[in-house]
Amino acid sequence: NAGVTQTPKFQVLKTGQSMTLQCAQDMNHNSMYWYRQDPGMGLRLIYYSASEGTTDKGEVPNGYNVSRLNKREFSLRLESAAPSQTSVYFCASSEAVRGDTAGELFFGEGSRLTVL
Amino acid sequence: GNSVTQMEGPVTLSEEAFLTINCTYTATGYPSLFWYVQYPGEGLQLLLKATKADDKGSNKGFEATYRKETTSFHLEKGSVQVSDSAVYFCALGPGGFKTIFGAGTRLFVKA
Repeated sequence: NAGVTQTPKFQVLKTGQSMTLQCAQDMNHNSMYWYRQDPGMGLRLIYYSASEGTTDKGEVPNGYNVSRLNKREFSLRLESAAPSQTSVYFCASSEAVRGDTAGELFFGEGSRLTVL
Repeated sequence: GNSVTQMEGPVTLSEEAFLTINCTYTATGYPSLFWYVQYPGEGLQLLLKATKADDKGSNKGFEATYRKETTSFHLEKGSVQVSDSAVYFCALGPGGFKTIFGAGTRLFVKA
C-alpha cells in the first residue's frame, strides 16, 4: 500500500531558485497538509487543505504557496528559495476532523531540502 | 493557547531497560492525546492515542495514560529493543490540522 507519496526525496537549491514538492495520497482522505521539521522544533504546519478546493495557512506559511490539484494531490511551491527554508518537509493526510473526532495523520517519508 | 512539552533527548538506554518519555500539555477543553514515532529515514506514524481522561493507549508494548489531573501523557515501555530507536513525538488533538506536536525525543537503544 502506497499511502502518502512525496517527491523528490532530496533536493539542493541555490538561493532564489524555485521548486515544487509533490504529494499524492491513495487513501481517499479529504484533508492534506504540509509540515516542516527542524531540529528541536518538532513539526510546524505550513499549509493545509481541509477538503478539495480549499487551502488555508498554517503556522509558518511565509515563502510558500500550495495547490490542491484534486482530492489525491497537494503540492508545495517555493517561489524564491532562501537558506531559512532548509528543512525536511512532510506531507500528510487525514480524514476530515469533525467535532471531537481524533483525526490520525498519515505521513509521507519526507523531502530533505537544502538551500545554499 | 494549546501546547505540548516533552522531555529533551537524546535518551540512551540499554536493551531490555525500562523507558519513560515524559509529556505534559496545556489545553482548553478535552483534547485527544497522541504519540507518534519516526523511525530513521521515515515519516511519522501513529503509535497510540487516547481520547479522554483515564484512557490508556497501547501498541507494540508501549503504553500511555491520559492523566487530566496532572495534564500528562507519559510514554512507557517495560523492555526496549534496539528496533525501538527512533524519535517520539507527543501531540494533542482533536487531530488533523489542529494537531499540535511536541519537539520530539530521540531514543537510542544499545545492544
